[in-house]
Amino acid sequence: GAGVSQSPSNKVTEKGKDVELRCDPISGHTALYWYRQSLGQGLEFLIYFQGNSAPDKSGLPSDRFSAERTGGSVSTLTIQRTQQEDSAVYLCASSRSLLAGSSYEQYFGPGTRLTVT
Amino acid sequence: DQQVKQNSPSLSVQEGRISILNCDYTNSMFDYFLWYKKYPAEGPTFLISISSIKDKNEDGRFTVFLNKSAKHLSLHIVPSQPGDSAVYFCAASADSGAGSYQLTFGKGTKLSVIP
Repeated sequence: GAGVSQSPSNKVTEKGKDVELRCDPISGHTALYWYRQSLGQGLEFLIYFQGNSAPDKSGLPSDRFSAERTGGSVSTLTIQRTQQEDSAVYLCASSRSLLAGSSYEQYFGPGTRLTVT
Repeated sequence: DQQVKQNSPSLSVQEGRISILNCDYTNSMFDYFLWYKKYPAEGPTFLISISSIKDKNEDGRFTVFLNKSAKHLSLHIVPSQPGDSAVYFCAASADSGAGSYQLTFGKGTKLSVIP
């Protein structure tokens, strides 16, 4: 079946511009996560969505970052007034609902490489 | 402060031998541990996991060992194959209190299996 998809695969933007990154989770997965990986670093949690519950935004690094998930499926991560330190690979992951007794495996998309010049 | 540490940035192993990748953690609230494998330009791929109530989980050539008292886990790959060459990430999970189980990742170990 189809895995997690993300678009665009690469994005180059000028400092100060806004960007939108998109994630399509695996069909039927109710949990969706955004992470980012900066150069030489591990993956850093950004935000989590579970069904219709309020998202866990505890990982967002600043108020320039926001995300939404429409209809419990597709999610967009928006970065306003981008800075050079925002350059990273942004990864989306989805998983089945933990309430269903499933394990915690998250399935990742290929990521969006964001470069802020 | 890094809660999940992979102290070896790289590891080289001969084909057919055992690869041992190590991971240490500091947060005693972690109750589930996972290993992911990542090829360049791809997202991480789930490999194997272990619950904190176990000390070993095996899946084919891959075995994960957990030592809770030492806050240490390791991934063993036997026998190693050239296709195993990738970056391996150790990850840990705990309920954040907000109902999410976000993963905390180490920085990864690049494994090179030499034919």
